Amino acid sequence: NAGVTQTPKFQVLKTGQSMTLQCAQDMNHNSMYWYRQDPGMGLRLIYYSASEGTTDKGEVPNGYNVSRLNKREFSLRLESAAPSQTSVYFCASKRREGLVYNEQFFGPGTRLTVL
Amino acid sequence: GDSVTQMEGPVTLSEEAFLTINCTYTATGYPSLFWYVQYPGEGLQLLLKATKADDKGSNKGFEATYRKETTSFHLEKGSVQVSDSAVYFCALSDQETSGSRLTFGEGTQLTVNP
Repeated sequence: NAGVTQTPKFQVLKTGQSMTLQCAQDMNHNSMYWYRQDPGMGLRLIYYSASEGTTDKGEVPNGYNVSRLNKREFSLRLESAAPSQTSVYFCASKRREGLVYNEQFFGPGTRLTVL
Repeated sequence: GDSVTQMEGPVTLSEEAFLTINCTYTATGYPSLFWYVQYPGEGLQLLLKATKADDKGSNKGFEATYRKETTSFHLEKGSVQVSDSAVYFCALSDQETSGSRLTFGEGTQLTVNP
């Protein structure tokens, strides 16, 4: 099993460009999450999908959209990138939202720079 | 809302030293508490967890005890190794306010020198 995979690993954008970050998991998990990691701020939840067909906003959703394409895949889109979106983005999955003791599994991250 | 506060880093220790990374939390419900570790260039991995007061989580020589009276979940290890160099995140999940979604602290960078 590959676990949680993310593409690309690195990306440089110019202000105003758009891009989609891809995430896939092969653990048959129901719930998937997108976080951003910034120095001194830990990880902050952008959007999550408790199950296929549903998505909800997290703590910092502005400037982002998501698509739960199927049970395996959960993409994050930046429609018009801004320098404030320079960050490391992590995707995670979990067997089921609502089960507190279940572990979240994280992908390796995408390092995005917006010039 | 819920929040997690970790001791400021970075922390630098010599091999075999004792490690403590402090973590305190604020939550309205009865949260579960976690420590995640991030090795260089990788995603986060669950290190240990505790789901109720007085529980002790342990893994790979690390321990943390859920102290409701002091709202703390400090991470400890008796003898650190160079391979423990990583960023450590304390996190909570409060079923009443946010389902099982995680709230993270800011992370503490640990460097262990040989």
